[in-house]
Amino acid sequence: AQSVAQPEDQVNVAEGNPLTVKCTYSVSGNPYLFWYVQYPNRGLQFLLKYITGDNLVKGSYGFEAEFNKSQTSFHLKKPSALVSDSALYFCAVRDRDGGSQGNLIFGKGTKLSVKP
Amino acid sequence: NAGVMQNPRHLVRRRGQEARLRCSPVKGHSHVYWYRQLPEEGLKFMVYLQKENIIDESGMPKERFSAEFPKEGPSILRIQQVVRGDSAAYFCASSPRGGGASDRVWQYFGPGTRLTVT
Repeated sequence: AQSVAQPEDQVNVAEGNPLTVKCTYSVSGNPYLFWYVQYPNRGLQFLLKYITGDNLVKGSYGFEAEFNKSQTSFHLKKPSALVSDSALYFCAVRDRDGGSQGNLIFGKGTKLSVKP
Repeated sequence: NAGVMQNPRHLVRRRGQEARLRCSPVKGHSHVYWYRQLPEEGLKFMVYLQKENIIDESGMPKERFSAEFPKEGPSILRIQQVVRGDSAAYFCASSPRGGGASDRVWQYFGPGTRLTVT
């Protein structure tokens, strides 16, 4: 069965420090991987995705994520956190080999809090 | 406790017909979000509704698409005169409130409705 795990409910970081939000996944085939961000009173916004190619994916707002097939992980990273990065972050996976019938599976989300 | 329910799970429509997708949020949740997943892509936000109000519809196509979340009953996403390009999975999510800057307000996702236009 497909699943996504975000092991941390909350991540606290000081402004200017690097941040990591963890995500591990389980799919039967090769994955499509996504990160989304939810700001207060808004819907989810797309940050970045891994489809194929380089394992390091760069996305919006200075975020990047590294696909690690052996560890089945897709951790979200940013070299220098901003207070405005404080939000909820959702990791999602889709089984590429499921074809167009595959649906996205979401992690439960991680709250990122960046303090000045 | 029932999570977000969506029905039907699969819907087939011919071009020009209407599609009505239903979303029953988690009991007690008054905020609903609709997303569309296009083939080979991720989710795209469509609309955010509170009971009887549309809060943010910036992701909704200007024509043929509408959404409502009445005081009683499920939220409905309605697509009139469907075209092949409307074929996608449509996800609904709910939350208990919109949330402030320091609140943790999770969105709970439904299983999705897969719309196929023939």
